[in-house]
Amino acid sequence: DIVLTQSPDSLPVSLGERATINCKSSQSVLDSSNNKNFLAWYQQKPGQPPKLLIYWASTREFGVPDRFSGSGSGTDFTLTISSLQAEDVAVYYCQQYYSTWYTFGQGTKLEIK
Amino acid sequence: EVQLVQSGAEVKKPGESLKISCKGSGYTFNTYWIGWVRQMPGKGLEWMGIIYPGDSATRYSPSFQGQVTISADKSNSTAYLQWSSLKASDTAIYYCAKLKYSSVRNWFDPWGQGTLVTVSS
Repeated sequence: DIVLTQSPDSLPVSLGERATINCKSSQSVLDSSNNKNFLAWYQQKPGQPPKLLIYWASTREFGVPDRFSGSGSGTDFTLTISSLQAEDVAVYYCQQYYSTWYTFGQGTKLEIK
Repeated sequence: EVQLVQSGAEVKKPGESLKISCKGSGYTFNTYWIGWVRQMPGKGLEWMGIIYPGDSATRYSPSFQGQVTISADKSNSTAYLQWSSLKASDTAIYYCAKLKYSSVRNWFDPWGQGTLVTVSS
């Protein structure tokens, strides 16, 4: 299995400030045949299903605000929220689809400081 | 609009059987993989398995192989997750989610609303 480890587990951030969540993979999820990283990011608000934010590690899903961005390659990835809004309070998960034994990170709880 | 609508919450006793459903609409159901994901109370997301409704090909996470059965009825555009003998530790929210594109190496989008399964004596 590919193990994804997110950091931190919990992240208090002031409104308007930058939030950075990390996701480290136990092995590379970069496919050299197409130079794509098989990694997605999801947002889950209380009582709701996960919502796709980012795929291919850095491609923002249609309709996702541009304050959300993804970066990284190989084994190290980052989700950045450039200016935290109150509605961004949620748990964020990374997920790899390089292996079809899909795995998720343990989640990072983003809260207002 | 692509949508997955799941069956309602269930309360069961240990040892009972259960089958929950996930109905797809707004796309060609047969040609996209559908997965199931478990979320235990207050915990993270765990991938359980996927099914290709076109030929009922399935893949299971090793953690769930033999514990659950995933099936699909393409005539009804519905995928299923079933247990033959529930345990208290099966208490969780279960989500179905469609792989975005036809390839199995894809992300999950969209997701169903979730089905809460409570197993208690």
